[in-house]
Amino acid sequence: AQTVTQSQPEMSVQEAETVTLSCTYDTSENNYYLFWYKQPPSRQMILVIRQEAYKQQNATENRFSVNFQKAAKSFSLKISDSQLGDTAMYFCALLFSGGYNKLIFGAGTRLAVHP
Amino acid sequence: DAGVTQSPTHLIKTRGQQVTLRCSPKSGHDTVSWYQQALGQGPQFIFQYYEEEERQRGNFPDRFSGHQFPNYSSELNVNALLLGDSALYLCASSLYGTGRTEAFFGQGTRLTVV
Repeated sequence: AQTVTQSQPEMSVQEAETVTLSCTYDTSENNYYLFWYKQPPSRQMILVIRQEAYKQQNATENRFSVNFQKAAKSFSLKISDSQLGDTAMYFCALLFSGGYNKLIFGAGTRLAVHP
Repeated sequence: DAGVTQSPTHLIKTRGQQVTLRCSPKSGHDTVSWYQQALGQGPQFIFQYYEEEERQRGNFPDRFSGHQFPNYSSELNVNALLLGDSALYLCASSLYGTGRTEAFFGQGTRLTVV
């Protein structure tokens, strides 16, 4: 079975500082993708960053970067220079290649950015 | 370009009733997936529609059914509502095909069963 685990229910950080959210996953597949989604109070899931499992280089999108450790099945998100607008639920998700866009989500981490 | 739109935004139903939720995908997308997000949890995959057929299904009972129309829009139907069906229902649209992984989500429908 494929699972995604987020072990930090809640995190907090001061504005302008750096925070890292953890995610581990379990799968026997070799070709897959990993995502971090942000869900603000507006409820809409917003894609933050994507990582292809076959790529060794860690993905980066502006202030957001990941640390992808394939052997350890770990996929953490680092947010640099945190902003108040980063306050949201963050979900780690797993998707298998092959045409079906079925996402498997973790339980989420609630991030609060304080001024 | 309108993104994914869902209607209604909120809904209150009585246990035992039936409900229909609607989703219009992002322009150009041909695949619609539905997710249930219970309070404090991550979304759970219900099913996915492509070419007007259910292509994949998660671990949900037959009370959950759906439909996709020729214009790619979709409906989620839930019969014989239970209190446990109370959740946020999210629709995601995407393009069908290997490597086409980006899914766009709507703002969801908050269903409350009383």
